[in-house]
Amino acid sequence: EDQVTQSPEALRLQEGESSSLNCSYTVSGLRGLFWYRQDPGKGPEFLFTLYSAGEEKEKERLKATLTKKESFLHITAPKPEDSATYLCAVRSEAAGNKLTFGGGTRVLVKP
Amino acid sequence: DAGITQSPRHKVTETGTPVTLRCHQTENHRYMYWYRQDPGHGLRLIHYSYGVKDTDKGEVSDGYSVSRSKTEDFLLTLESATSSQTSVYFCASSGTGGSVYGYTFGSGTRLTVV
Repeated sequence: EDQVTQSPEALRLQEGESSSLNCSYTVSGLRGLFWYRQDPGKGPEFLFTLYSAGEEKEKERLKATLTKKESFLHITAPKPEDSATYLCAVRSEAAGNKLTFGGGTRVLVKP
Repeated sequence: DAGITQSPRHKVTETGTPVTLRCHQTENHRYMYWYRQDPGHGLRLIHYSYGVKDTDKGEVSDGYSVSRSKTEDFLLTLESATSSQTSVYFCASSGTGGSVYGYTFGSGTRLTVV
């Protein structure tokens, strides 16, 4: 059974204070690790897909990295508009097209 | 230009009544999913569909049923609503071959069972 654990559950940052979110996973045959952003009252929005250890993706102040057991989402010099819940999910050989999600990290960036 | 539309967006219902949530997608995706999102549990899969009239259970399927009569539409029915089914429900879809985006999500339905 695929398992995904995100930490911390919540993160309060000052504007400009860089930090990292962790996503630890256990899967049989990783076929993709996904990061989503979710704003209150809305559905998750796609950020990144990573497929193999060592891979990195960047978008504005966000950078996602992947190892064989975990992924990190680094937020560099965050702004208040980066406040959201960040979700991590995995797709595995065994699960086919279904994704397994972690519990999310709620990020609040204060001005 | 929403790829997935969920209706209603909010609903309050009484314990014991049947409730149907609707999901409509314009992506022509083969796969569709229903998840519920609760504090402390994240997104949990209720049911999914891998084609018209082809559905299967997820990890939290008790008390729920689904139907898919057309590619575009996926219905979730709570046969007899209970307070434990108060939640936010998300519909999602994906294409064949494993989309690089994972899923496309709807905006959610907030259901309150009183």
